Amino acid sequence: DSGVTQTPKHLITATGQRVTLRCSPRSGDLSVYWYQQSLDQGLQFLIHYYNGEERAKGNILERFSAQQFPDLHSELNLSSLELGDSALYFCASSGQGTVTEAFFGQGTRLTVV
Amino acid sequence: AQSVAQPEDQVNVAEGNPLTVKCTYSVSGNPYLFWYVQYPNRGLQFLLKYITGDNLVKGSYGFEAEFNKSQTSFHLKKPSALVSDSALYFCAVKNSGAGSYQLTFGKGTKLSVIP
Repeated sequence: DSGVTQTPKHLITATGQRVTLRCSPRSGDLSVYWYQQSLDQGLQFLIHYYNGEERAKGNILERFSAQQFPDLHSELNLSSLELGDSALYFCASSGQGTVTEAFFGQGTRLTVV
Repeated sequence: AQSVAQPEDQVNVAEGNPLTVKCTYSVSGNPYLFWYVQYPNRGLQFLLKYITGDNLVKGSYGFEAEFNKSQTSFHLKKPSALVSDSALYFCAVKNSGAGSYQLTFGKGTKLSVIP
């Protein structure tokens, strides 16, 4: 158990809908990262938050947004969903500094039908 | 920009034989290198990392990796493979430069250990 909790584990929704994925980082970790894993694109970095502030953006679509709350949990919001958004979405957390490894949650499998 | 290449989509090895999963990287500054393993329907688990120092890094479950700066490689190795090692392995890099906290992953290598 990595200590990173993601909910829900599975999500099935229709095109055009909006969903929210939730992540609780390991106790004490201030950094939260979101990644998307798909068969054709591999693991893609989406966004990084540190202590409530956005620190870096990767290949995140404008239809997607995220935030980190004062209790350090994070939410990834996906809107106007398309079939191609079906993927495994991972949250990871890490401690301070660039040398610390990230610990991953078990992911949310999103299926858009 | 930083990138990671894992040239083999799949590696097959017999149980008890040594295994190697290859990784090469490209980064502008000094690299921080990581290996993760993913079992079916699970998240990624951290195996080991290279930050600085000894080029041979030891990690979890008997895995080790060798950093080679001149070849920009960070190959994962294990002296004797187990069937339970069968999984998807990801190499990842961070740039040690300021502000670069996220990991860039390779496409992954599927390791199959044959009994």
